Amino acid sequence: DVKVTQSSRYLVKRTGEKVFLECVQDMDHENMFWYRQDPGLGLRLIYFSYDVKMKEKGDIPEGYSVSREKKERFSLILESASTNQTSMYLCASSFGGAGPGDTQYFGPGTRLTVL
Amino acid sequence: KQEVTQIPAALSVPEGENLVLNCSFTDSAIYNLQWFRQDPGKGLTSLLLIQSSQREQTSGRLNASLDKSSGRSTLYIAASQPGDSATYLCAVLTGGGNKLTFGTGTQLKVEL
Repeated sequence: DVKVTQSSRYLVKRTGEKVFLECVQDMDHENMFWYRQDPGLGLRLIYFSYDVKMKEKGDIPEGYSVSREKKERFSLILESASTNQTSMYLCASSFGGAGPGDTQYFGPGTRLTVL
Repeated sequence: KQEVTQIPAALSVPEGENLVLNCSFTDSAIYNLQWFRQDPGKGLTSLLLIQSSQREQTSGRLNASLDKSSGRSTLYIAASQPGDSATYLCAVLTGGGNKLTFGTGTQLKVEL
């Protein structure tokens, strides 16, 4: 079974703090993704990575950066957290064959609150 | 830009009822369509995946259909149970096979 783990289930941070969200997958997947989920807006893609040290902006990258130094680990960084970044953050990974049978496997999520 | 819409946003049914959740998408150039389940405060679990060349997929009491030309999919749940209570999300895979676009979900409650 594919396992995607996220470093924290719940985080509380203060405005202006630098925040790191970590994600690890154990299936040697090429692709990794960061989403945020907000009521009424659904899941929105922040960034994704298709290889080590490679990244692509998603639909809402502003205020975020990412790092992928190792294949199994993908980090989301909030350089200076703001209250509008309070959200559920979900990490996912996929094989990356880009075929019609490809699917993404999701972690349990991190509920981030910025005060 | 791909947009995915799910109707209804919320649904409450008595146990044992058969029900249908709807999903529509604006761009038919998709690799696949997936239905996910999300329990409160948790991540997503993939339920069914229909490839673009397929018409339907079945798993247990769940059946999902895809009409790519009209941009529609339905998820049929037979003999609903309280354990089916969750949010159901529809997503389409596009953009070179890397981009999943999600609907906002249908929140289902199955009552005893």
